[in-house]
Amino acid sequence: SQQGEEDPQALSIQEGENATMNCSYKTSINNLQWYRQNSGRGLVHLILIRSNEREKHSGRLRVTLDTSKKSSSLLITASRAADTASYFCATDADSGAGSYQLTFGKGTKLSVIP
Amino acid sequence: DTGVSQNPRHKITKRGQNVTFRCDPISEHNRLYWYRQTLGQGPEFLTYFQNEAQLEKSRLLSDRFSAERPKGSFSTLEIQRTEQGDSAMYLCASSYHNDEKLFFGSGTQLSVL
Repeated sequence: SQQGEEDPQALSIQEGENATMNCSYKTSINNLQWYRQNSGRGLVHLILIRSNEREKHSGRLRVTLDTSKKSSSLLITASRAADTASYFCATDADSGAGSYQLTFGKGTKLSVIP
Repeated sequence: DTGVSQNPRHKITKRGQNVTFRCDPISEHNRLYWYRQTLGQGPEFLTYFQNEAQLEKSRLLSDRFSAERPKGSFSTLEIQRTEQGDSAMYLCASSYHNDEKLFFGSGTQLSVL
């Protein structure tokens, strides 16, 4: 079953604009990660935010986490055509047994038009 | 830089045949994971190894599926008596012990005719 749900399912923007994707999840977590997937390829880790963090930055990426709402957002600033990909959030359940199983959402398909 | 390697990249088989996929993780990584991804969906967890020990299996992993990781190095995923519903991308990932960040391979795309 999929724990996370990304919103929107698809997003099309012009190069240079900012892109915001949202993720909602269902259970308590230790951390939340965002991954990118280019068509037909494997996933690439972008950023991880822990449950006790509220915001994190990495280059043009900004991630927020609201554990009270069980939601996260990923902001990509000054988008480039190379950012065109699907973006997935992934969570690990706070089971107390160590986190090794990630549960992914269905993803947001981002298209950046040059 | 030797990332996670998966072979073959594509596999076409007829229903009822057995198939085997191989994953070579990053050499220092002791954790190895298999995920399955169907079109328009996110990856779904199948199984997890720490070194050679298979510590977790998803309910998705029916008795037709078996995974091994001999000597804690490469891993194989075998599907017996394939069904059309097995058509998917099979992704392998690895990680360091106590590191939540996964490194994925490019996957094996299975098509069952």
